[in-house]
Amino acid sequence: DAGVTQSPTHLIKTRGQQVTLRCSPKSGHDTVSWYQQALGQGPQFIFQYYEEEERQRGNFPDRFSGHQFPNYSSELNVNALLLGDSALYLCASSLGLALAKNIQYFGAGTRLSVL
Amino acid sequence: AQTVTQSQPEMSVQEAETVTLSCTYDTSESDYYLFWYKQPPSRQMILVIRQEAYKQQNATENRFSVNFQKAAKSFSLKISDSQLGDAAMYFCAYRRGRQGGSEKLVFGKGTKLTVNP
Repeated sequence: DAGVTQSPTHLIKTRGQQVTLRCSPKSGHDTVSWYQQALGQGPQFIFQYYEEEERQRGNFPDRFSGHQFPNYSSELNVNALLLGDSALYLCASSLGLALAKNIQYFGAGTRLSVL
Repeated sequence: AQTVTQSQPEMSVQEAETVTLSCTYDTSESDYYLFWYKQPPSRQMILVIRQEAYKQQNATENRFSVNFQKAAKSFSLKISDSQLGDAAMYFCAYRRGRQGGSEKLVFGKGTKLTVNP
């Protein structure tokens, strides 16, 4: 049973560029959430996708956007990269929106460095 | 807005000993869940233990147990018989209950646990 997989593992970009990060949820899961974890901090919620729609959004600018595909995989896009976007980006998957006992399973993340 | 506070940036414990990690949270909700996640150097967040707010009984998972004090909004993690593999960052997290399992998680800043042989 494949867990949550993220690609790429590491990424180096320069300021002003655009980046796309990818996530495949755990088998059987249909909901994907994205988190940003700055160095020495806990993860912060960016947004969540369910049924190919953004369902919840954290306090992140519009430069952060996403997409969910029919196979439940997801992409996180960041435009006009800033130095402060350097972080570990974590993807978490879960099943459905209303099952209270479900938990979120995390991938190993993508380390983004903006120079 | 809900907040989670972990006041111990770093903790250390001798192998086979017991250590307790602290966490406090702030919420006006009555229905919520609390979690402890472990993040080893491999970076993947691994769920250690979960507590439903409506349950008075403290959750336990093998060597891991929690002390959930709802009135004090405190949620500490006790690791018994510590092992070298327990060394990691530990994050306390909160989630509202009413939106279900996919509701966003709110994390603390983490506690780095070192296990000394």
